[in-house]
Amino acid sequence: GENVEQHPSTLSVQEGDSAVIKCTYSDSASNYFPWYKQELGKGPQLIIDIRSNVGEKKDQRIAVTLNKTAKHFSLHITETQPEDSAVYFCAASPLGSARQLTFGSGTQLTVLP
Amino acid sequence: DTGVSQDPRHKITKRGQNVTFRCDPISEHNRLYWYRQTLGQGPEFLTYFQNEAQLEKSRLLSDRFSAERPKGSFSTLEIQRTEQGDSAMYLCASSLNAGETQYFGPGTRLLVL
Repeated sequence: GENVEQHPSTLSVQEGDSAVIKCTYSDSASNYFPWYKQELGKGPQLIIDIRSNVGEKKDQRIAVTLNKTAKHFSLHITETQPEDSAVYFCAASPLGSARQLTFGSGTQLTVLP
Repeated sequence: DTGVSQDPRHKITKRGQNVTFRCDPISEHNRLYWYRQTLGQGPEFLTYFQNEAQLEKSRLLSDRFSAERPKGSFSTLEIQRTEQGDSAMYLCASSLNAGETQYFGPGTRLLVL
């Protein structure tokens, strides 16, 4: 089955700096890659996603890049703010009837004011 | 608020007791997923429904677990004879169709004493 690895596990940045989180996946048939933000005591909230026919996608301060050949994708947050502090999860969805998500182990992002 | 609701939000039970959780997906979403999340990890897939049909179960779903979605709307997840290892956050997600964005509920946090 699919395996997703995520790095780093913790990341601290100064407010206004950029943050980058990287993920690799194992199943070359995976074609959908969402990123979720999870705050303490809450469920994961989708922040951006990308499909395998696209190399990059941007939404305001957030961008995701996908390299299908290398099987890795990255989340970029620019001009970080204290409210960006949370745990971020990448995920991959393989082809097949279930289309379940396989998640990475998460990155605790702390934005220091 | 994603529109997916779960009840209860917290449950404390003694080992050996049965517990039942409820998930109400976004209206008209055909797909409903259950995931389990342990501390410091990403969510792991348990099972999913296409309308009222349960189509796949993960090997994580032991015989003590049962899930239903009787009318293709809300779903219940029951754990019989709970064990301390069942302590986790149980997350429900729904999507309009296969391969579409999955929206997560706030989760039910279970503690088995």
